[in-house]
Amino acid sequence: QVQLQESGPGLVKPSETLSLTCTVSGASISSHYWSWMRQSSGKGLEWIGYVFYSGGTSYNPSLKSRATISVDRPKNQFSLKLTSVSVADTAIYYCARDTDTAMALEIWGQGTLVIVSS
Amino acid sequence: EIVMTQSPAILSVSPGERATLSCRASQSVSSNLAWYQHKPGQAPRLLFYGSSTRATGVPARFSASGSGTEFTLTISSLESEDFAVYYCQQYNDWLRLTFGQGTKVDIK
Repeated sequence: QVQLQESGPGLVKPSETLSLTCTVSGASISSHYWSWMRQSSGKGLEWIGYVFYSGGTSYNPSLKSRATISVDRPKNQFSLKLTSVSVADTAIYYCARDTDTAMALEIWGQGTLVIVSS
Repeated sequence: EIVMTQSPAILSVSPGERATLSCRASQSVSSNLAWYQHKPGQAPRLLFYGSSTRATGVPARFSASGSGTEFTLTISSLESEDFAVYYCQQYNDWLRLTFGQGTKVDIK
């Protein structure tokens, strides 16, 4: 059974860099697309971006190049870095994997709350 | 950017009743559409992809249809565990995935 688990600091100061890791168990990261999403309080889901197992990436342009997603195949993990954070980046962050045949998000982590505050 | 618009924002339904949720795309997404169920404190759950392909374990009371710009998720007879927020998501533009703003199904 494939499982994803987010980890990282729950509190980040404004203007600093948010760093999260998603650990994949039960399957190799060497296939599929691996995505990050977030949900701010009272709002809907927002796609942040994804990394392909080979390292190719795509990002939500609304983040204005602040996001970087990378894959660490030996550790079976992928990571998100979001620079220059503000209170608007306070959210629950989710990692997820697509299906075998479509860019729908089939397997999700439980999510981790990140608060941006001084 | 493909904008996904869901309606209604809130749907109040009694248990046992039918619920019909709509999702409209600002341009055609063919059948490259997914539906998710999201409950507080839980991870979102994939219900359908390819517009109407049911994901593993999704009960038969859920059905989905549509293509192009108009899509529908139907719950034939609501059960208590179905009260949640439902999102549609397009992946036709696979370089920029976009979600609808969600429809909250709550108890009438």
